[in-house]
Amino acid sequence: GQNIDQPTEMTATEGAIVQINCTYQTSGFNGLFWYQQHAGEAPTFLSYNVLDGLEEKGRFSSFLSRSKGYSYLLLKELQMKDSASYLCAVRDGHYQLIWGAGTKLIIKP
Amino acid sequence: GAVVSQHPSRVICKSGTSVKIECRSLDFQATTMFWYRQFPKQSLMLMATSNEGSKATYEQGVEKDKFLINHASLTLSTLTVTSAHPEDSSFYICSAGGQGEAGANVLTFGAGSRLTVL
Repeated sequence: GQNIDQPTEMTATEGAIVQINCTYQTSGFNGLFWYQQHAGEAPTFLSYNVLDGLEEKGRFSSFLSRSKGYSYLLLKELQMKDSASYLCAVRDGHYQLIWGAGTKLIIKP
Repeated sequence: GAVVSQHPSRVICKSGTSVKIECRSLDFQATTMFWYRQFPKQSLMLMATSNEGSKATYEQGVEKDKFLINHASLTLSTLTVTSAHPEDSSFYICSAGGQGEAGANVLTFGAGSRLTVL
């Protein structure tokens, strides 16, 4: 079957760096997405990786290794507003989006 | 950027009534829209894919007669929860394949509708 694994919850300190990992097993691969979702709100797009390597966008970076079925989202200079759930989603060989359960990130002062 | 408008944001209804949720793409045409539901602390679950001018495609286990989807135009899709029961209480989110980076397949989400059935 297809599945995506990411940690349920992580805690980090304001101003620090945190890395959220995502591993996946899907039938085919056509891209990996990271979304941010604040409590009670809809997800918002953060990043997209389809080739191996690191994509940097401001304080957020996303990495992909297709051979390892692995990605991570790196958040730098953490701010309190970064407290949210981070969803990893993979588009499989049929262009269907498979969603991870999300990682709840708690930022402490 | 692409914007998807969804309303109502919150609705409380009595058991047995029907509730309609609207999803509009404001500045682009969406031939396909997706309807998700999300229970607390869980991920998004795709319910159905809404195609303009044709019948929706429902995921396994989703009752098409209970969750009626209509996609009458390129900018509007509606989800009607018929004869709602307390177990239908959830967060319903629509999305459309929008514009922007990563091509046409980055999803833009509506703000979501929190349904509470008493």
